[in-house]
Amino acid sequence: QSVLTQPPSASGTPGQRVTISCSGSSSNIGSNTVNWYQQLPGTAPKLLIYSNNQRPSGVPDRFSGSKSGTSASLAISGLQSEDEADYYCAAWDDSLNVFFGTGTKVTVL
Amino acid sequence: QLQLQESGPGLVKPSETLSLTCTVSGGSISSSSYYWGWIRQPPGKGLEWIGSIYYSGSTYYNPSLKSRVTISVDTSKNQFSLKLSSVTAADTAVYYCASQAAAGPFDYWGQGTLVTVSS
Repeated sequence: QSVLTQPPSASGTPGQRVTISCSGSSSNIGSNTVNWYQQLPGTAPKLLIYSNNQRPSGVPDRFSGSKSGTSASLAISGLQSEDEADYYCAAWDDSLNVFFGTGTKVTVL
Repeated sequence: QLQLQESGPGLVKPSETLSLTCTVSGGSISSSSYYWGWIRQPPGKGLEWIGSIYYSGSTYYNPSLKSRVTISVDTSKNQFSLKLSSVTAADTAVYYCASQAAAGPFDYWGQGTLVTVSS
Protein backbone atom coordinates (compact mmCIF):
# COMPACT_ATOMS: atom_id res chain seq x y z
CA GLN A 1 0.00 0.00 0.00
CA SER A 2 1.20 3.48 -0.89
CA VAL A 3 2.29 5.97 1.73
CA LEU A 4 1.60 8.89 -0.64
CA THR A 5 -2.08 9.82 -0.69
CA GLN A 6 -3.83 11.45 -3.64
CA PRO A 7 -7.52 12.15 -4.28
CA PRO A 8 -8.95 9.39 -6.50
CA SER A 9 -10.44 11.80 -8.99
CA ALA A 10 -10.45 15.40 -10.20
CA SER A 11 -12.30 17.07 -13.02
CA GLY A 12 -12.77 20.33 -14.86
CA THR A 13 -14.06 21.86 -18.04
CA PRO A 14 -11.74 22.84 -20.87
CA GLY A 15 -9.73 25.92 -19.96
CA GLN A 16 -10.15 25.49 -16.21
CA ARG A 17 -7.37 24.98 -13.66
CA VAL A 18 -7.21 21.64 -11.86
CA THR A 19 -5.02 20.90 -8.84
CA ILE A 20 -4.01 17.47 -7.53
CA SER A 21 -2.58 17.01 -4.05
CA CYS A 22 -0.08 14.42 -2.81
CA SER A 23 0.28 13.94 0.93
CA GLY A 24 3.25 12.17 2.48
CA SER A 25 5.41 12.34 5.58
CA SER A 26 8.68 13.73 6.89
CA SER A 27 10.58 10.64 5.73
CA ASN A 28 9.55 10.90 2.09
CA ILE A 29 8.18 14.18 0.70
CA GLY A 30 9.41 16.10 3.71
CA SER A 31 13.04 15.26 3.00
CA ASN A 32 13.17 14.39 -0.70
CA THR A 33 11.99 15.80 -4.01
CA VAL A 34 8.69 14.90 -5.67
CA ASN A 35 8.14 13.73 -9.22
CA TRP A 36 4.87 13.53 -11.16
CA TYR A 37 3.87 11.12 -13.92
CA GLN A 38 1.07 11.22 -16.46
CA GLN A 39 -0.39 7.94 -17.71
CA LEU A 40 -2.65 8.17 -20.73
CA PRO A 41 -5.05 5.24 -21.21
CA GLY A 42 -3.26 2.07 -22.32
CA THR A 43 0.21 3.60 -22.28
CA ALA A 44 3.29 3.65 -20.08
CA PRO A 45 3.65 6.48 -17.56
CA LYS A 46 5.47 9.57 -18.72
CA LEU A 47 7.58 11.88 -16.54
CA LEU A 48 5.71 15.17 -16.21
CA ILE A 49 7.44 17.05 -13.37
CA TYR A 50 10.71 16.28 -11.57
CA SER A 51 12.50 17.79 -8.60
CA ASN A 52 9.22 19.29 -7.32
CA ASN A 53 8.72 21.84 -10.07
CA GLN A 54 10.91 21.14 -13.09
CA ARG A 55 9.45 20.23 -16.48
CA PRO A 56 11.28 17.88 -18.83
CA SER A 57 11.76 19.13 -22.35
CA GLY A 58 8.53 18.96 -24.32
CA VAL A 59 6.14 19.18 -21.36
CA PRO A 60 3.82 22.18 -21.79
CA ASP A 61 4.10 24.97 -19.23
CA ARG A 62 0.41 24.42 -18.43
CA PHE A 63 1.72 21.79 -16.02
CA SER A 64 3.37 23.02 -12.83
CA GLY A 65 4.43 21.45 -9.56
CA SER A 66 5.05 22.67 -6.05
CA LYS A 67 5.98 21.30 -2.65
CA SER A 68 5.44 22.52 0.88
CA GLY A 69 6.45 20.53 3.92
CA THR A 70 5.14 16.99 3.59
CA SER A 71 2.75 17.70 0.70
CA ALA A 72 3.06 18.42 -2.98
CA SER A 73 0.70 19.59 -5.70
CA LEU A 74 0.36 19.34 -9.44
CA ALA A 75 -1.57 22.06 -11.25
CA ILE A 76 -2.93 21.88 -14.75
CA SER A 77 -3.95 25.27 -16.09
CA GLY A 78 -5.92 25.73 -19.29
CA LEU A 79 -7.20 22.14 -19.08
CA GLN A 80 -7.41 20.38 -22.43
CA SER A 81 -9.16 17.19 -23.53
CA GLU A 82 -5.81 15.47 -24.07
CA ASP A 83 -5.01 15.97 -20.37
CA GLU A 84 -7.54 13.29 -19.46
CA ALA A 85 -5.31 10.69 -17.81
CA ASP A 86 -4.15 9.21 -14.53
CA TYR A 87 -1.58 11.22 -12.58
CA TYR A 88 0.83 9.83 -9.99
CA CYS A 89 3.19 11.53 -7.60
CA ALA A 90 6.33 9.73 -6.42
CA ALA A 91 9.11 10.28 -3.95
CA TRP A 92 12.06 8.49 -2.37
CA ASP A 93 12.14 7.86 1.35
CA ASP A 94 15.17 8.04 3.59
CA SER A 95 15.89 4.33 3.04
CA LEU A 96 16.12 4.83 -0.74
CA ASN A 97 12.75 3.20 -1.36
CA VAL A 98 10.52 4.71 -4.03
CA PHE A 99 6.86 5.27 -3.34
CA PHE A 100 4.19 6.15 -5.87
CA GLY A 101 1.03 7.97 -4.91
CA THR A 102 -2.35 6.30 -5.05
CA GLY A 103 -3.12 8.00 -8.35
CA THR A 104 -5.68 10.57 -9.49
CA LYS A 105 -7.90 10.20 -12.52
CA VAL A 106 -8.46 13.53 -14.24
CA THR A 107 -11.63 13.86 -16.29
CA VAL A 108 -12.29 16.69 -18.72
CA LEU A 109 -15.99 17.43 -18.62
CA GLN B 1 17.55 9.13 -26.22
CA LEU B 2 17.25 5.96 -24.21
CA GLN B 3 14.89 3.22 -25.30
CA LEU B 4 13.91 0.32 -23.08
CA GLN B 5 12.13 -2.91 -24.02
CA GLU B 6 10.82 -5.59 -21.69
CA SER B 7 10.80 -9.24 -22.70
CA GLY B 8 9.80 -12.50 -21.08
CA PRO B 9 6.95 -14.99 -20.67
CA GLY B 10 3.44 -13.59 -20.54
CA LEU B 11 2.13 -16.49 -18.47
CA VAL B 12 3.63 -17.92 -15.29
CA LYS B 13 2.25 -20.68 -13.10
CA PRO B 14 1.54 -20.09 -9.41
CA SER B 15 4.51 -20.81 -7.09
CA GLU B 16 6.97 -20.50 -10.00
CA THR B 17 9.46 -17.69 -10.70
CA LEU B 18 8.65 -14.76 -12.95
CA SER B 19 11.63 -13.72 -15.08
CA LEU B 20 11.82 -10.58 -17.22
CA THR B 21 14.62 -8.82 -19.07
CA CYS B 22 14.91 -5.18 -20.05
CA THR B 23 17.12 -4.33 -23.03
CA VAL B 24 18.49 -0.80 -23.11
CA SER B 25 19.40 0.97 -26.34
CA GLY B 26 20.53 4.48 -27.11
CA GLY B 27 22.89 4.56 -24.16
CA SER B 28 25.09 2.45 -21.91
CA ILE B 29 23.71 0.62 -18.93
CA SER B 30 27.12 1.23 -17.34
CA SER B 31 26.51 4.97 -17.26
CA SER B 32 27.21 6.41 -13.83
CA SER B 33 24.27 8.77 -14.36
CA TYR B 34 21.57 6.14 -14.15
CA TYR B 35 19.93 3.60 -11.96
CA TRP B 36 17.63 1.05 -13.62
CA GLY B 37 14.26 0.15 -12.16
CA TRP B 38 11.28 -2.15 -12.34
CA ILE B 39 7.75 -0.96 -11.67
CA ARG B 40 4.50 -2.91 -11.94
CA GLN B 41 0.82 -2.11 -12.28
CA PRO B 42 -1.93 -4.66 -11.55
CA PRO B 43 -4.89 -4.38 -13.92
CA GLY B 44 -6.97 -1.34 -13.04
CA LYS B 45 -4.69 -0.38 -10.14
CA GLY B 46 -1.84 1.99 -9.38
CA LEU B 47 1.92 1.86 -9.82
CA GLU B 48 4.18 -0.08 -7.47
CA TRP B 49 7.97 0.23 -7.43
CA ILE B 50 9.64 -3.20 -7.30
CA GLY B 51 13.30 -2.26 -7.10
CA SER B 52 16.27 -0.56 -8.71
CA ILE B 53 19.86 -1.43 -9.55
CA TYR B 54 23.02 0.52 -10.27
CA TYR B 55 25.44 -0.74 -12.91
CA SER B 56 27.85 -1.69 -10.15
CA GLY B 57 25.27 -4.14 -8.85
CA SER B 58 23.99 -2.18 -5.86
CA THR B 59 20.31 -2.92 -5.43
CA TYR B 60 17.33 -1.33 -3.66
CA TYR B 61 14.15 -3.32 -3.23
CA ASN B 62 10.60 -2.56 -2.15
CA PRO B 63 10.48 -3.86 1.44
CA SER B 64 7.17 -5.59 0.78
CA LEU B 65 8.69 -7.65 -2.06
CA LYS B 66 12.31 -7.89 -0.94
CA SER B 67 12.18 -11.54 0.13
CA ARG B 68 11.06 -12.63 -3.36
CA VAL B 69 12.88 -10.19 -5.70
CA THR B 70 16.24 -10.32 -7.40
CA ILE B 71 17.36 -7.65 -9.86
CA SER B 72 20.60 -8.13 -11.77
CA VAL B 73 22.51 -6.34 -14.52
CA ASP B 74 24.42 -7.69 -17.51
CA THR B 75 26.63 -4.90 -18.80
CA SER B 76 27.92 -7.01 -21.71
CA LYS B 77 24.38 -7.26 -23.12
CA ASN B 78 23.20 -3.81 -21.96
CA GLN B 79 20.39 -5.51 -20.09
CA PHE B 80 19.01 -5.79 -16.60
CA SER B 81 16.67 -8.45 -15.30
CA LEU B 82 13.96 -9.13 -12.75
CA LYS B 83 13.22 -12.37 -10.97
CA LEU B 84 10.19 -12.66 -8.69
CA SER B 85 9.82 -15.98 -6.94
CA SER B 86 6.81 -17.85 -5.52
CA VAL B 87 4.33 -15.89 -7.57
CA THR B 88 0.60 -15.84 -6.94
CA ALA B 89 -2.36 -14.34 -8.79
CA ALA B 90 -1.67 -11.09 -6.91
CA ASP B 91 1.53 -10.72 -8.97
CA THR B 92 -0.47 -10.46 -12.21
CA ALA B 93 0.41 -7.04 -13.59
CA VAL B 94 1.93 -5.02 -16.37
CA TYR B 95 5.64 -4.88 -15.61
CA TYR B 96 7.62 -1.82 -16.72
CA CYS B 97 11.34 -1.23 -16.79
CA ALA B 98 12.63 2.32 -16.60
CA SER B 99 15.76 4.41 -16.31
CA GLN B 100 16.21 6.45 -13.17
CA ALA B 101 18.25 9.59 -13.65
CA ALA B 102 20.74 10.20 -10.83
CA ALA B 103 18.62 8.05 -8.53
CA GLY B 104 15.81 10.48 -9.11
CA PRO B 105 12.83 10.36 -11.46
CA PHE B 106 12.04 7.52 -13.82
CA ASP B 107 12.62 9.41 -17.06
CA TYR B 108 12.46 6.75 -19.77
CA TRP B 109 10.05 3.82 -19.66
CA GLY B 110 9.56 0.63 -21.61
CA GLN B 111 6.15 -0.02 -23.12
CA GLY B 112 5.37 -2.59 -20.44
CA THR B 113 4.61 -6.29 -20.61
CA LEU B 114 1.60 -8.05 -19.11
CA VAL B 115 2.44 -11.06 -16.98
CA THR B 116 -0.45 -13.25 -15.91
CA VAL B 117 -0.07 -15.74 -13.08
CA SER B 118 -2.38 -18.67 -13.71
CA SER B 119 -2.30 -22.43 -13.91
